[in-house]
Amino acid sequence: AQKVTQAQTEISVVEKEDVTLDCVYETRDTTYYLFWYKQPPSGELVFLIRRNSFDEQNEISGRYSWNFQKSTSSFNFTITASQVVDSAVYFCALRPLIQGAQKLVFGQGTRLTINP
Amino acid sequence: DGGITQSPKYLFRKEGQNVTLSCEQNLNHDAMYWYRQDPGQGLRLIYYSQIVNDFQKGDIAEGYSVSREKKESFPLTVTSAQKNPTAFYLCASSTSDRGEQYFGPGTRLTVT
Repeated sequence: AQKVTQAQTEISVVEKEDVTLDCVYETRDTTYYLFWYKQPPSGELVFLIRRNSFDEQNEISGRYSWNFQKSTSSFNFTITASQVVDSAVYFCALRPLIQGAQKLVFGQGTRLTINP
Repeated sequence: DGGITQSPKYLFRKEGQNVTLSCEQNLNHDAMYWYRQDPGQGLRLIYYSQIVNDFQKGDIAEGYSVSREKKESFPLTVTSAQKNPTAFYLCASSTSDRGEQYFGPGTRLTVT
């Protein structure tokens, strides 16, 4: 069985603070993809990043960074110097890397509020 | 511009009526998906299709039906058999070899 857990239901910080969103996953597959999506108030999910299970290098994109640790089955997302526009619901998701298996398993999401 | 369109954005229906939600993509993606999102919850997969004229049930297919007659289109019908149809419905698409799914703007369905 596959499962994604985002234990933080809601996080609220003041603008310019750094914030980390946690994601822990469970899978028996040896190869898989991990994803983060952002859902702003408009409702559309915006793809942020994809990470292969065999690539544990951390990734940085502007104020966003991702820490993938296979040993702890975690794929955490950090926003540095947060801004009000970062306010959204963020979802972590998992997908096995098997041909034809394209189902994404989503976590419950973390609602992030950045206060001015 | 390439993307996924869903129409309408808001839809209101009376209980007992079937309703069809539209999803069109011009990204030339092979696979398409329908998800349901309830307030404060994650996404649950209703149906997905990897190729034209073929589709599979997701985790909560009961009370829903789909068709995939064209690569670009994947309409979802919410039937009167769906016990609690009021929700936010999201359509997505992806290529066969990459993992990320791209989402449409969603349709908020209210059934009274």
